[in-house]
Amino acid sequence: AQSVTQLGSHVSVSEGALVLLRCNYSSSVPPYLFWYVQYPNQGLQLLLKYTTGATLVKGINGFEAEFKKSETSFHLTKPSAHMSDAAEYFCAVSNAGGTSYGKLTFGQGTILTVHP
Amino acid sequence: DAGVTQSPTHLIKTRGQQVTLRCSPKSGHDTVSWYQQALGQGPQFIFQYYEEEERQRGNFPDRFSGHQFPNYSSELNVNALLLGDSALYLCASSLRTGGATDTQYFGPGTRLTVL
Repeated sequence: AQSVTQLGSHVSVSEGALVLLRCNYSSSVPPYLFWYVQYPNQGLQLLLKYTTGATLVKGINGFEAEFKKSETSFHLTKPSAHMSDAAEYFCAVSNAGGTSYGKLTFGQGTILTVHP
Repeated sequence: DAGVTQSPTHLIKTRGQQVTLRCSPKSGHDTVSWYQQALGQGPQFIFQYYEEEERQRGNFPDRFSGHQFPNYSSELNVNALLLGDSALYLCASSLRTGGATDTQYFGPGTRLTVL
C-alpha cells in the first residue's frame, strides 16, 4: 500500500519569500512522485514529477522538489513566492507495475496563501 | 489542442437518483482515470479504463461504474446516490506507454451536489 502525508494544510508566505511545502510518502516499492497544483474551480496541473535518476527535479513556474529516500520525503520549494502562486498543492505517489499502473494516491493538499 | 473536457460542469441530484458524467480525453490519449475529490480532501482514485476495459479500481462500491468508448471518451455512472457522493469528479487522461510515470492530464471536473 502507498500513502502520502502533507504536513500543514495551510501555508502562508509573503511575496518574495521562500515557499516550502512538505510531503512524506510511504511505499513498499520505489515510488514515482508528483506535485500538482489546483487553482480555484479548475482541475489539477502537473508541476513536476520524479521517476528515477537525478533526485532534484525542476518543474514549471520556478518550482523544484528533492527526492530524499532516507527521509521518505519529496518537499516542494520555490525561492521567491509570487502572488500568482496562491493555490492548493497536492503531492501524489504511484508505483511501477502493471496492476497499479497510473493509479495516483494523493495527499490531503496544502493551501498556499501569498501576502503582498 | 483541446485538453481534457468534462460535462456537465455542475449537477444537482437528489438521494437515490442516478447520474452520468462524461469525459473526453486529451487528443492522442487512450487511457482515462476517474477521481473523486470531496471538499477539503485530495482526489481519490475510482477506476481506470484502457482499451474499453476497466483495468483497475479503487475502494469504491459497485454503485460506481464506467464505460470507455472506441473514441477513448468515457462515462462515469453512479447509482442510488447518497449525500456522501457530493464531490468534484475529476477525469484524467494519459497515453499508455507502459510506465507508471505517464503524465495524467486532468479536466476541470464536474461538481456533483446530492440533496
